[in-house]
Amino acid sequence: DIQMTQSPSTLSASVGDRVTITCRASQSISNWLAWYQQKPGKAPKLLIYKASSLDSGVPSRFSGSGSGTEFTLTISSLQPDDFATYYCQQYNSFSQTFGQGTKVEIK
Amino acid sequence: QFQLVQSGADVKTPGSSVKVYCKASGGTFNSYEITWVRQAPGQGLEWLGGINPMFGTTNYAQKFQGRVAITADESTSTAHMELSSLTYEDTAVYYCARGSGQLDYWGQGTLVTVSS
Repeated sequence: DIQMTQSPSTLSASVGDRVTITCRASQSISNWLAWYQQKPGKAPKLLIYKASSLDSGVPSRFSGSGSGTEFTLTISSLQPDDFATYYCQQYNSFSQTFGQGTKVEIK
Repeated sequence: QFQLVQSGADVKTPGSSVKVYCKASGGTFNSYEITWVRQAPGQGLEWLGGINPMFGTTNYAQKFQGRVAITADESTSTAHMELSSLTYEDTAVYYCARGSGQLDYWGQGTLVTVSS
């Protein structure tokens, strides 16, 4: 199975900060990567698919980049609504796997 | 607007089975795969498997092979996930979601508690 490793596990930031989360795959997944945002007690919400495509209705301050084994999710200017946990997901192989999550906390 | 609505919370005893339902509305049910993902308390997301409702083909995570069964009923636009031989470690919120790659619509989640 392809393993996905996110870093950091926790990130403390302030409103207005630029935030970057990294996701590394144990083998190449081309650009078959998605990013999700999850808030407590809620289902995950799709933000980015195919590594860099913004899902409909997602604010433009979110962006994704990367290919192969290294990917990043960037929030250009952190807003109060962005404090949440973020997950990457690979869907290159016949099975799919998620990263362990990155919690973005208020500094 | 496409929507997935899941069955309610359930409590099961160790060794038993649970079946969770996921009803789709607002779109063509067999145009997309349905994927099941679970989340144990305080933990991350774990993929269980998925189904293509049009063809009935399924794909399961190796970890759950032989213990999970995903089916779909086109007549009621409902997908089902049955997990057998439950242990305490199966206590989790179970989600259904649309898609086989990126998952763009999610159900509200179903809490399954395994308790004696």
